[in-house]
Formats: sequence, structure tokens, C-alpha cells
Amino acid sequence: GAVVSQHPSWVICKSGTSVKIECRSLDFQATTMFWYRQFPKQSLMLMATSNEGSKATYEQGVEKDKFLINHASLTLSTLTVTSAHPEDSSFYICSATLQDPLRGQYFGPGTRLTVT
Amino acid sequence: GDSVTQMEGPVTLSEEAFLTINCTYTATGYPSLFWYVQYPGEGLQLLLKATKADDKGSNKGFEATYRKETTSFHLEKGSVQVSDSAVYFCALYSGGGADGLTFGKGTHLIIQP
Repeated sequence: GAVVSQHPSWVICKSGTSVKIECRSLDFQATTMFWYRQFPKQSLMLMATSNEGSKATYEQGVEKDKFLINHASLTLSTLTVTSAHPEDSSFYICSATLQDPLRGQYFGPGTRLTVT
Repeated sequence: GDSVTQMEGPVTLSEEAFLTINCTYTATGYPSLFWYVQYPGEGLQLLLKATKADDKGSNKGFEATYRKETTSFHLEKGSVQVSDSAVYFCALYSGGGADGLTFGKGTHLIIQP
């Protein structure tokens, strides 16, 4: 089946530094990847849609200059949290979809970011 | 905008009990509906889906029926097992905007032997 990986699985960084999270589709090509953020005991909130070869589409309220998304190939999307602050601490989850979104999305295991 | 409301947990049941996790939605048009499951330490996995009214999705003994009249997609299982312990997310896809999924908050299910 379709497998999506994320790296790292957890990261701790100091306030003011930047952190890059990778999302890879291991056995399929994903023209579209999604980045979600999940707070404890909260729902997954869509942050942005990442399309290979084009600029990401951000949801309302998500700062595109803070959360940089690059979809460099059909199997890799990266999320960079720039100048991280403690309030950016969260669980970041990516997903990838095959051409037919009705087949559902395949999710990575998530990345736990803690900013100290 | 689209929204999904599901019962909050944790829901604690004994093994072999009957399970219902309620899910209702608000959406424009005719969304597709999904249940995802997240086992401890793992990513979300698609459990089942339904793409139109009266469709029934089923997988691993779980079922959910797309009820347009009540805008609901309740998850059911006749006899739960300890291995079903996980967090269950109801979600919808309406096909508009960014094409991402809209999720409920998740329901933590705990099955006791």
C-alpha cells in the first residue's frame, strides 16, 4: 500500500531557530501533499496544500513566510518552520494523495516539534 | 465553512461490546465522508469511506452509513477487541478550496480485556 514517511519524528529546537520537516511518499508519486497541524486533544487543522512545481496554497490564518513549504519532486515536500517560537510547538502531519482524492489521503506518522 | 463534530472521548468499553462513535457534519454540496484510525505511535490510516448518500463503508468489522438526511456518518462495530484501541477521526472532503480534509477532533477508544 501507499506509504508516507516523515523525518524527523521528533525535534527540539531553541526559540529563534528554523526547523525543516520532510515528507516523502515512498512507493508512489504524489502530485499533491498536505500539511496539517494537530494540537493536543484537538483536530487536525489543514495548514497548506503543496503541489509539485508550484507555490503552496495556505489556509487562512497560516503565515506563509513562517511556514515555508517546498514541493521539490513528486515524492518530497518539506515544511520549514522559520524563527520558531514556543507557540509553534505542535504535532505536524503530512499526507499525500493519489490523483483521485476520493481514494483518501495517506498520512505520515507525524513530527513532534518542541520549541524551548 | 465545512465542519465535523464527533463525540469526545475517551470512550472505554469492555472487549466484545458494541461500539458507536457519533459523527455529524456540515458541508456545502455533497461531501465524501471518511473514518481514519490512528494507532499509538503510528500515522492516520484510512479505515472506511462513503462517497454518496446511503453508501455504507465497511472494513475490519467497522461500518458507517452516509446519512444525508441527518448529516451523519456514525461508526459502528458489533464486537470490539483490545486491538481496536486507538483514536478515530471522522473527516469529510468537499472537493473545494485547497482539497484538504476537514477533520473532527478525534475520539480516543479504549478497549479493556
